[in-house]
Amino acid sequence: AQTVTQSQPEMSVQEAETVTLSCTYDTSESDYYLFWYKQPPSRQMILVIRQEAYKQQNATENRFSVNFQKAAKSFSLKISDSQLGDAAMYFCAYRRFTPLVFGKGTRLSVIA
Amino acid sequence: KAGVTQTPRYLIKTRGQQVTLSCSPISGHRSVSWYQQTPGQGLQFLFEYFSETQRNKGNFPGRFSGRQFSNSRSEMNVSTLELGDSALYLCASSLAGDLTGELFFGEGSRLTVL
Repeated sequence: AQTVTQSQPEMSVQEAETVTLSCTYDTSESDYYLFWYKQPPSRQMILVIRQEAYKQQNATENRFSVNFQKAAKSFSLKISDSQLGDAAMYFCAYRRFTPLVFGKGTRLSVIA
Repeated sequence: KAGVTQTPRYLIKTRGQQVTLSCSPISGHRSVSWYQQTPGQGLQFLFEYFSETQRNKGNFPGRFSGRQFSNSRSEMNVSTLELGDSALYLCASSLAGDLTGELFFGEGSRLTVL
């Protein structure tokens, strides 16, 4: 079964600085999808960014970008110019013709 | 466009009771998934419905059940509640249920079992 591991339970970043959240996954498949979801204190999960495994180019969404290393099965999220509104739980997730498999999450604090 | 709506938002039950949670997906979305979120276990998949049929089921006991109606609204039921069922239950919908696309989540139903 696929597994997703987020090794950093908590992270903090100064406002306007850059932070990178780590994620590794285990799969024997070559075609799949990876996601980063954000869950603010209001609890609604919001998609931050999506990466298709067959695309070598790293996905980018405004201040959010990923470093997708397929051979290493690594999928880290970089948040640039961090803002107070970025404070939340961040979940890495894997999907391939199955329901989403989530990591345990990383709680990000943003310090003003 | 309205998002995924879950009701009730909060509820308190006692052991042995049963509970029904409701989820209204985004208009036009035919796939609905349910997840249980707890501090210890994280996010665990319960089940997924597509066009009124259960397409996938997670590793939960038979006390957990669900269904989907013709308008894509979904309900999940937990019978004979246990203390360990205390959790945030999240519903998510997707457009075509192709198992590769984005899921849109509701705010969840917070269940406390006393």
